Amino acid sequence: DTEVTQTPKHLVMGMTNKKSLKCEQHMGHRAMYWYKQKAKKPPELMFVYSYEKLSINESVPSRFSPECPNSSLLNLHLHALQPEDSALYLCASSPTGGGPRVEQFFGPGTRLTVL
Amino acid sequence: AQRVTQPEKLLSVFKGAPVELKCNYSYSGSPELFWYVQYSRQRLQLLLRHISRESIKGFTADLNKGETSFHLKKPFAQEEDSAMYYCALSGFNQGGKLIFGQGTELSVKP
Repeated sequence: DTEVTQTPKHLVMGMTNKKSLKCEQHMGHRAMYWYKQKAKKPPELMFVYSYEKLSINESVPSRFSPECPNSSLLNLHLHALQPEDSALYLCASSPTGGGPRVEQFFGPGTRLTVL
Repeated sequence: AQRVTQPEKLLSVFKGAPVELKCNYSYSGSPELFWYVQYSRQRLQLLLRHISRESIKGFTADLNKGETSFHLKKPFAQEEDSAMYYCALSGFNQGGKLIFGQGTELSVKP
């Protein structure tokens, strides 16, 4: 399996809901990333996990809570989101723990709409 | 400050015409430069990276350290090249963080 998969593809939630996004890779990669992307804008980094430990948090609001249960799986827990959080959420992985010469492999994203 | 600049938001060319997507960067050190492409309704994928010096789908990019540029070129554009193109930079001690430019939308008309 040489792809990053993300579920669900689409998610609609209210501002009081709690939901989770899931990302999986079976390429043996040791770094995993969450990005937020608005239409026709570049991805904005949210979190980086390196060897299952949170290594970067780009000052993301606490209503977004990442979790890395194992080296293949990355979750993003959502709670009390705002309508402006509506976006495409991308997961990515890379072979090593965040070196500079490492390609990131992106998932297809979860399209999130917050009502 | 680390920054990637793509000056053109939209680039429109006719099929068969040459295309050049500009990318300039600001980084104190020796970064790794990438071009990522996002076709409509498809995932973001790597197109080129400067250290590999390959040609992918007819695209090439040369790193010019003097001008701090990494422009993407193709001699004859095809309709299937229409997509969003992002130039990105990664530096040492950055934890794998990619710094993206704002992107250029390439539209190739028949």
